[in-house]
Amino acid sequence: AQKVTQAQTEISVVEKEDVTLDCVYETRDTTYYLFWYKQPPSGELVFLIRRNSFDEQNEISGRYSWNFQKSTSSFNFTITASQVVDSAVYFCALLMTYNDMRFGAGTRLTVKP
Amino acid sequence: DAGITQSPRHKVTETGTPVTLRCHQTENHRYMYWYRQDPGHGLRLIHYSYGVKDTDKGEVSDGYSVSRSKTEDFLLTLESATSSQTSVYFCATRLAETDTQYFGPGTRLTVL
Repeated sequence: AQKVTQAQTEISVVEKEDVTLDCVYETRDTTYYLFWYKQPPSGELVFLIRRNSFDEQNEISGRYSWNFQKSTSSFNFTITASQVVDSAVYFCALLMTYNDMRFGAGTRLTVKP
Repeated sequence: DAGITQSPRHKVTETGTPVTLRCHQTENHRYMYWYRQDPGHGLRLIHYSYGVKDTDKGEVSDGYSVSRSKTEDFLLTLESATSSQTSVYFCATRLAETDTQYFGPGTRLTVL
């Protein structure tokens, strides 16, 4: 079975705290892609990052960083020095074939001032 | 950003009535998708299209049909809406050369 688990349903932090959102996936495929999307209160889905299964290099983009570990089937997302504007629902997704993308249930992050 | 619009953005309808949601894109992307978003489930694929008149089922296709007569438009139809189809519906598109899907703004559908 292919699936994505985001065990943290809701997280609340105070501004400037670091926060990590967990994502664990299951697949038997050797080639796959992992994604993170952000859904702010306005409701749209914003693409954040894509990582393929052959590239385990971690990535940093400003305050955002992603840690991909095939050994533990995890693709975790860290926000450093969180800000109120980071408040959103974050989705992790797994793409096995080009047309079969499976999403996790999402993690609602609330950043309080 | 694939220039995706969805219409209507909000709709309230009654059980048993037909409903059609429209997705329109301006970027000439070959692939288009319909998802539904429900609490606790994330997004789940309903149907997708890999070209004009070429469509296939996704994970939760029962009760839904789709059509694509033009590259830019992908229609989702609920032939006889049920309360279990109350959801937020998202359209997405993808360039053939990439694997990243970009999403429209969503349509909130309420079936009473």
